[in-house]
Amino acid sequence: SQQGEEDPQALSIQEGENATMNCSYKTSINNLQWYRQNSGRGLVHLILIRSNEREKHSGRLRVTLDTSKKSSSLLITASRAADTASYFCATLWDYKLSFGAGTTVTVRA
Amino acid sequence: SAVISQKPSRDICQRGTSLTIQCQVDSQVTMMFWYRQQPGQSLTLIATANQGSEATYESGFVIDKFPISRPNLTFSTLTVSNMSPEDSSIYLCSVGVDTQYFGPGTRLTVL
Repeated sequence: SQQGEEDPQALSIQEGENATMNCSYKTSINNLQWYRQNSGRGLVHLILIRSNEREKHSGRLRVTLDTSKKSSSLLITASRAADTASYFCATLWDYKLSFGAGTTVTVRA
Repeated sequence: SAVISQKPSRDICQRGTSLTIQCQVDSQVTMMFWYRQQPGQSLTLIATANQGSEATYESGFVIDKFPISRPNLTFSTLTVSNMSPEDSSIYLCSVGVDTQYFGPGTRLTVL
């Protein structure tokens, strides 16, 4: 079932700029994960943040989690053309993932 | 992370027929999951498939329409039965109890 909203639905930025997308959810979570999907292909796991963590970094990715507001954000710094993709947040509870609606990011050269 | 393959990668089928999708993992895993991604949409969990037990289906999905087999700890199949154009989707399997890793997906078009 769909967990919540992602904002914005679509984002267009210039290469080198930062991209920020937000995710809200409705229920309890064990962790929250972000995935990337290129052109309707398989999902690539980007980063996981646990419910007791507030911020996590991985390379050019920064994820925050605010469990009091039931929201998360993904920041991609210094974007590249190869970052053009759809990004999904997904919350894990009882071994099951519930996905947000996704944000489509286009990075212009 | 596990390496997951799916067969077929894509197919075009006639309405009323059935298609079986295979999911193979390179290591033994307890839990496998099947998802559907309708065109332009996000992913929705169809069912959880554990080896040695019946699959557990999510609301809106039934065994008669999406029978699942899980014969061992590295393999599962999902059948899409009596297909209609509304079944046109990408079907993905995944594994993992904490971090979940996904197969490349099967793109199904029903005419």
